[in-house]
Amino acid sequence: GENVEQHLSTLSVQEGDSAVIKCTYSDSASNYFPWYKQELGKGPQLIIDIRSNVGEKKDQRIAVTLNKTAKHFSLHITETQPEDSAVYFCAANTDKLSFGAGTTVTVRA
Amino acid sequence: DGGITQSPKYLFRKEGQNVTLSCEQNLNHDAMYWYRQDPGQGLRLIYYSQIVNDFQKGDIAEGYSVSREKKESFPLTVTSAQKNPTAFYLCASSILTGEYNSPLHFGNGTRLTVT
Repeated sequence: GENVEQHLSTLSVQEGDSAVIKCTYSDSASNYFPWYKQELGKGPQLIIDIRSNVGEKKDQRIAVTLNKTAKHFSLHITETQPEDSAVYFCAANTDKLSFGAGTTVTVRA
Repeated sequence: DGGITQSPKYLFRKEGQNVTLSCEQNLNHDAMYWYRQDPGQGLRLIYYSQIVNDFQKGDIAEGYSVSREKKESFPLTVTSAQKNPTAFYLCASSILTGEYNSPLHFGNGTRLTVT
């Protein structure tokens, strides 16, 4: 099955700086890569996703890049704000969606 | 508002008791899922269902059971056979595609504590 590794367990950034979280996956057949944000006491919410036929996707301050050759994809958050503090999960699909272990992002004021 | 409702938010049980977690969705999604979340381990799939009266085991199904008698409902029973049941349980749903590439919509979870 798919193995998704999320390389940072925690990330602390100064408000206004950028945050980057990288994930690697093992199955070259994976074609869908979503990112979820989970706030304390709540369920994860989809914030952005990318399919294997594109290399980058942006939505306001959030972007995701995909490198199929190297089998990694990254979440980029620019101009971070306190409300960006949360746990972020990457995922990749094969016969089901496999999740990374999560990165706790803290935005320092 | 469309969404997924999990109840209760907190659940406490004594060891040796079975407990059932509720999950209801009004998104008209065909597929529903149960995940378990433990600190530092991400989300692990317990069971999923793509159609009424059918479901499949996920990666960690031992000690759990499910039913899917209605499209809207996918209750999870944590049985006494589950060796480490204390966790945060998340229910999700999605439209059904052939390639597992549609977004999951999650409920807000049930935190189960077994003592």
